[in-house]
Amino acid sequence: QKEVEQNSGPLSVPEGAIASLNCTYSDRGSQSFFWYRQYSGKSPELIMFIYSNGDKEDGRFTAQLNKASQYVSLLIRDSQPSDSATYLCAVPLSGGYNKLIFGAGTRLAVHP
Amino acid sequence: DAGVTQSPTHLIKTRGQHVTLRCSPISGHKSVSWYQQVLGQGPQFIFQYYEKEERGRGNFPDRFSARQFPNYSSELNVNALLLGDSALYLCASSLLSGDSPLHFGNGTRLTVT
Repeated sequence: QKEVEQNSGPLSVPEGAIASLNCTYSDRGSQSFFWYRQYSGKSPELIMFIYSNGDKEDGRFTAQLNKASQYVSLLIRDSQPSDSATYLCAVPLSGGYNKLIFGAGTRLAVHP
Repeated sequence: DAGVTQSPTHLIKTRGQHVTLRCSPISGHKSVSWYQQVLGQGPQFIFQYYEKEERGRGNFPDRFSARQFPNYSSELNVNALLLGDSALYLCASSLLSGDSPLHFGNGTRLTVT
């Protein structure tokens, strides 16, 4: 059974620092990986999608994928208090991106 | 364009009752998926529907059922409610059944007493 593991946190970083969020997955055959951000009381919002080994950058966000070690990470540069949220890692269960397995999420707190 | 809309936003039910949750996908999206999110956990996949056909079912009991209508809206039904069914129920839509990312609605908060 596929599993996705995340440290629940909270991860506390000062404003302006780099926040590093990690996720490990059990299925070596997993090809695609998603990072969602979820503010308290709100729904998940897709922020990054990666399927190739290496780095993918989008603004202040960088996703890093290492398939050999079965981990994917999310770096947030120049962290802002507005980045304070829970970050969910997800992999497809099977056959497409509609059936996702989510980790429990890492709560990030950026303090001024 | 409106995002994924869900109704109601909050609901309180008693054990043993039945509940129906509704979802309207983003215009043009043909796939709808349902997820359950218990406090402190990530969302857990319940169902996916595409073009009115069930395309996937998660590890949930038969008390959970769903359907998709010709206008691509969807209903999630839960019978014989248990206290453990208390959760945030999220609906997500996507353009296609396969390689299209999910867009989530704001969810329905169900409390079972």
